[in-house]
Amino acid sequence: RKEVEQDPGPFNVPEGATVAFNCTYSNSASQSFFWYRQDCRKEPKLLMSVYSSGNEDGRFTAQLNRASQYISLLIRDSKLSDSATYLCVPEGIQGAQKLVFGQGTRLTINP
Amino acid sequence: NAGVMQNPRHLVRRRGQEARLRCSPMKGHSHVYWYRQLPEEGLKFMVYLQKENIIDESGMPKERFSAEFPKEGPSILRIQQVVRGDSAAYFCASSPDRIYGYTFGSGTRLTVV
Repeated sequence: RKEVEQDPGPFNVPEGATVAFNCTYSNSASQSFFWYRQDCRKEPKLLMSVYSSGNEDGRFTAQLNRASQYISLLIRDSKLSDSATYLCVPEGIQGAQKLVFGQGTRLTINP
Repeated sequence: NAGVMQNPRHLVRRRGQEARLRCSPMKGHSHVYWYRQLPEEGLKFMVYLQKENIIDESGMPKERFSAEFPKEGPSILRIQQVVRGDSAAYFCASSPDRIYGYTFGSGTRLTVV
């Protein structure tokens, strides 16, 4: 099983809509999670860190379900500038001091 | 406080030449990571270094690729005898402590012709 699995999309939603996508992870020992966004041909940028059951930052909400080993990202009132690829990254197992990125989910917000 | 600096931004090499990619971590960051991203693919971990030490090189190809992070100066990713399949974006990230505060540089886009 892959360390991280995400629906690659693409998700096409109209501006102003609410969109959510999930990420499943295989390592039940992961304690921390990160959502990054990557714009086309640019570097990934940290969007949100999740250390407990979830986190909220403005229009963005991340929720963690440890029992089912998935983490979701919800974007409310989506903007055109939210168009990007969203990468879910769990902390590695103890001693594995690197982040492993999946393919990400591609999101396009349409006017 | 400058971010992670990578240079050059774009690099063109002919097949068989050497490519040297540089990464200067953020001030105070002693952990450096290199990732490669092929067109239309995800980021693939290559190597994790601390000053003068390679901690994890499990993602490095066995041949032609090497990395270093000397006591002074930037981290260097070196690719010898480049082939067309090496064409990709190479991103460097740094952090002050393991994986927290992971910041990426703008990347180097290598094109092998």
